[in-house]
Amino acid sequence: GAVVSQHPSWVICKSGTSVKIECRSLDFQATTMFWYRQFPKQSLMLMATSNEGSKATYEQGVEKDKFLINHASLTLSTLTVTSAHPEDSSFYICSAKDWTDNSPLHFGNGTRLTVT
Amino acid sequence: RKEVEQDPGPFNVPEGATVAFNCTYSNSASQSFFWYRQDCRKEPKLLMSVYSSGNEDGRFTAQLNRASQYISLLIRDSKLSDSATYLCVADLSSNTGKLIFGQGTTLQVKP
Repeated sequence: GAVVSQHPSWVICKSGTSVKIECRSLDFQATTMFWYRQFPKQSLMLMATSNEGSKATYEQGVEKDKFLINHASLTLSTLTVTSAHPEDSSFYICSAKDWTDNSPLHFGNGTRLTVT
Repeated sequence: RKEVEQDPGPFNVPEGATVAFNCTYSNSASQSFFWYRQDCRKEPKLLMSVYSSGNEDGRFTAQLNRASQYISLLIRDSKLSDSATYLCVADLSSNTGKLIFGQGTTLQVKP
């Protein structure tokens, strides 16, 4: 079945640094990928929709200059958290839809970001 | 008002019990609905889709009531391995793949 790989699984960084998270669709082409964030005991919140070859669409309240999204190929989207702060510490999950199957979305395994 | 609302629980039940989770959604234009399961510190995994006619998969039964904008999940004969958070999910448009997640309901099955 369709697989989405996300890397890294966890990362610890210092305040002020930038962190890049990769999301790859391994056996299907994903023209659209989604980035979610989940704080402890809360729901997954959609941050942005990543579109291959064009600008990402950000949800209300998500700073596009802080969360840079690049979707340069049909199998790779990246999320860069720039100038990270402790409040950015969260679980970031990417997902992609394989339009050839009936599953709504395939999720990456998530990245747990801790900013110290 | 949240777009998808669930009782966060936790629901603590003994093994073998039957437990039901409810969910309401606010956007009547929502097209499709799903139940996902999420284990601690893991990504969500699709449990089952939800149809107006109701659907069953083994011990799990899902039901959709569009008139009341209400979704349910019934788990029969609970197992210890059913302990997880169950997420109610709405898809506003089948053309976008964009999903809206509820907060999740935590289930703890005890021996």
